[in-house]
Amino acid sequence: GESVGLHLPTLSVQEGDNSIINCAYSNSASDYFIWYKQESGKGPQFIIDIRSNMDKRQGQRVTVLLNKTVKHLSLQIAATQPGDSAVYFCAENPKGASYGKLTFGQGTILTVHP
Amino acid sequence: GAGVSQSPSNKVTEKGKDVELRCDPISGHTALYWYRQRLGQGLEFLIYFQGNSAPDKSGLPSDRFSAERTGESVSTLTIQRTQQEDSAVYLCASSLEGLTEKLFFGSGTQLSVL
Repeated sequence: GESVGLHLPTLSVQEGDNSIINCAYSNSASDYFIWYKQESGKGPQFIIDIRSNMDKRQGQRVTVLLNKTVKHLSLQIAATQPGDSAVYFCAENPKGASYGKLTFGQGTILTVHP
Repeated sequence: GAGVSQSPSNKVTEKGKDVELRCDPISGHTALYWYRQRLGQGLEFLIYFQGNSAPDKSGLPSDRFSAERTGESVSTLTIQRTQQEDSAVYLCASSLEGLTEKLFFGSGTQLSVL
């Protein structure tokens, strides 16, 4: 059966599809946001970040969108690959907080089927 | 080393015992962080070290938890009189403070308290 705490949102896609992972944040004072990818048995790995004075930022195959009005953050992955399968976390750094003192979301499990 | 190194990778202990977890940050990184990750959940901030400044201990859950750092190198996280609810993955991260909030994480120590 399902263990206590294992209620992460999940997203299953086919290889080559585009993926969109969503995150709602709670602190309207946050001015810096990051997406991390965590593969099984490993620590989180930085993917992309965005500051609150921007609403979109693009990286290699990834795009982060920020909607401050509704406090929503999304990560778009283009042409998703099996190697993208992982848990994805959004994190926020409240304004005035120490660098790296991040508040993490619950995470979303992305599964990419070949 | 090339990355953040943590030891041991796994630790099984009995309730009531003390445990000590070790972190070797990336050489030259002045900031060091400890986070805790319970099963199926996001990361919780525990403590932050930056140079010779007093550490930010605001995330430590109880006085059974303590951490030390020698200069800008190794850090140890100690949990006294462990309880079953301490079971989690303990992640260490380092960064170039003042230049980035991009944290580089180790693979963590999986602590199981029986």
